[in-house]
Amino acid sequence: DAGVIQSPRHEVTEMGQEVTLRCKPISGHDYLFWYRQTMMRGLELLIYFNNNVPIDDSGMPEDRFSAKMPNASFSTLKIQPSEPRDSAVYFCASRDNRENTEAFFGQGTRLTVV
Amino acid sequence: AQSVTQLDSQVPVFEEAPVELRCNYSSSVSVYLFWYVQYPNQGLQLLLKYLSGSTLVKGINGFEAEFNKSQTSFHLRKPSVHISDTAEYFCAVSDRPYSGYSTLTFGKGTMLLVSP
Repeated sequence: DAGVIQSPRHEVTEMGQEVTLRCKPISGHDYLFWYRQTMMRGLELLIYFNNNVPIDDSGMPEDRFSAKMPNASFSTLKIQPSEPRDSAVYFCASRDNRENTEAFFGQGTRLTVV
Repeated sequence: AQSVTQLDSQVPVFEEAPVELRCNYSSSVSVYLFWYVQYPNQGLQLLLKYLSGSTLVKGINGFEAEFNKSQTSFHLRKPSVHISDTAEYFCAVSDRPYSGYSTLTFGKGTMLLVSP
C-alpha cells in the first residue's frame, strides 16, 4: 500500500479564497483523522471519521472549516473563506479498528494564506 | 482532560552522544503513551508506544522510553545518536486503549538537532 496520500503537498492561496485539501486513507482502514500543525499550538485534532461518519468535530476551529468523507477511500477538508491565520500544515491519518494498532500519517499539506 | 508537556522545544547534541527528550503528561484516568517522529517534510511515524506491562519500552531506530507513573513522565532516550536522528519528536497520550474511538493528544514537539 502507498500509505496515506494527501494532495496537494503545498498550497498558496489568497485570503478569502476557498481551499480544499484531499486525503486518501490506507485501504481497509476504518478511521480517518484530520490534524492541524502550527508553531503556536502544535498538533491539534480537527475532526475524525469512523466508517465515513463524522464522530467528533469539536476541534474544528469555526464554521469556515468543513470536512466530508463521501466514501471509504476519500476525504476532503475545506476552508471557505480562508484567512492568513489558517496557514499551517494539515495532516490526514488513518487507522484500522483492531486493538493496539497505530494511526498512519500522510505527508501533510502545507497551506499558506496570503 | 489530558495534556502533554514537552519541556524542551529544541535539543542540540553531538553525534554519538546520548540524548533524553522529556515528556510529562496529565490525565485523570489510565493513560496510553506514544512517541512519534517527524522527519523534514514527512508525516509522523510511530517510534514506540506504552500500553501496559513493562514500563521500559523499546522502539525503532534504537530508541527506548520509560513510563514513570509516579512522576507522570514518559521520557525518550537513545544511548548514541546519529546525524539521521535529526527530526522533530512528539509525545502523545490517549486515555483508552488504542482502538475504537480513542484519539491522541500531542505535545508541541522537541526538535532534536544532531551535529557532527
